[in-house]
Amino acid sequence: DGGITQSPKYLFRKEGQNVTLSCEQNLNHDAMYWYRQDPGQGLRLIYYSQIVNDFQKGDIAEGYSVSREKKESFPLTVTSAQKNPTAFYLCATQGWEETQYFGPGTRLLVL
Amino acid sequence: GDSVTQMEGPVTLSEEAFLTINCTYTATGYPSLFWYVQYPGEGLQLLLKATKADDKGSNKGFEATYRKETTSFHLEKGSVQVSDSAVYFCALSPSGQGFSFIFGKGTRLLVKP
Repeated sequence: DGGITQSPKYLFRKEGQNVTLSCEQNLNHDAMYWYRQDPGQGLRLIYYSQIVNDFQKGDIAEGYSVSREKKESFPLTVTSAQKNPTAFYLCATQGWEETQYFGPGTRLLVL
Repeated sequence: GDSVTQMEGPVTLSEEAFLTINCTYTATGYPSLFWYVQYPGEGLQLLLKATKADDKGSNKGFEATYRKETTSFHLEKGSVQVSDSAVYFCALSPSGQGFSFIFGKGTRLLVKP
């Protein structure tokens, strides 16, 4: 069953804590993306990766970090430096065609 | 720089009404254009796309035509259903930059029975 999985569906962060959001895909797509969505807002690009072991900052990378050690996986860490992390986080992939495909999202809440 | 502008919502319609959600863009060259739909608490799903001028994308009764002369890609549906209630995003992929997408802010559609 091909697709993109994100886990967990809900994540709670305590003050000063780093948390990691998982994104896994079995579509064999080279490019992967992380977006942040705030209520009533569009999507803002955090980081993207076009190939394994390489990634670039998007428009709002401060307070976030990523890694791309495997083609299938692109985890996002929300660090304690991100002072307003409450949002809906979306992972997306893109293969050879000019279309992005999205995972179901992770909602991050601050305790 | 490149940009996408969508009509602000919410758009509220009665069931079986005609839907238009306006989308205009600014881009150099020949971008590809997309409509995505997001249901509450879910990720975005591709609804339709068009890759060149005068192309019409269609899916599930929704249509949009790539109009280069007016730089528009308006979404239409002849008869909406309650189940079409969602947020709709217009997006473009700039020409020659296959890994870069630009999204509009989204338009919320509410269809009442």
